[in-house]
Amino acid sequence: ETGVTQTPRHLVMGMTNKKSLKCEQHLGHNAMYWYKQSAKKPLELMFVYNFKEQTENNSVPSRFSPECPNSSHLFLHLHTLQPEDSALYLCASSLTMGAGPNTEAFFGQGTRLTVV
Amino acid sequence: DQQVKQNSPSLSVQEGRISILNCDYTNSMFDYFLWYKKYPAEGPTFLISISSIKDKNEDGRFTVFLNKSAKHLSLHIVPSQPGDSAVYFCAARPVPSGSRLTFGEGTQLTVNP
Repeated sequence: ETGVTQTPRHLVMGMTNKKSLKCEQHLGHNAMYWYKQSAKKPLELMFVYNFKEQTENNSVPSRFSPECPNSSHLFLHLHTLQPEDSALYLCASSLTMGAGPNTEAFFGQGTRLTVV
Repeated sequence: DQQVKQNSPSLSVQEGRISILNCDYTNSMFDYFLWYKKYPAEGPTFLISISSIKDKNEDGRFTVFLNKSAKHLSLHIVPSQPGDSAVYFCAARPVPSGSRLTFGEGTQLTVNP
């Protein structure tokens, strides 16, 4: 248990559906992240939020829309996805951004997304 | 362009022996390195890190070595235990850092009883 909770754990959606992934942390962290892990590929950073402000968008298609209403919650809104978007989506948080101590990311268990 | 590479997709060792997981990187701007461990159906868990000003960091059974000139780091686990069986990811962060962690592909470690 890392203190970062993601729901749902599994999601199957059609290409015309709209769904949202939720991430919650009560660790007092100020930075939150969305990562994507496709089969046999490294984790890819998608979005970064620091103090609720988006600081990075790693050229993610607009069919993925993040939302960070407060430092404890992060959402990833999904619509008109493609089958190749099927992957494990991981949320993470860290106390601060940057390098060095207190910047290590704590990950949630992930949402296994299947687009059909 | 894979800036962090873990060339061994899998490693199998006997319980009690040393496990050595390797990681190579190409970006000379990386100056902070981390290892994460991932069990099936769980997210990655932070294990140990090292700053580029050091060449070794130790935490219990886990030691990370950094060779900057070779752009190589390794994680040593000794003695290995069956509970160490997991996928191990190497990650690196550049300066100026922001937050961008670049991950390797992971190495599946299996420790046999």
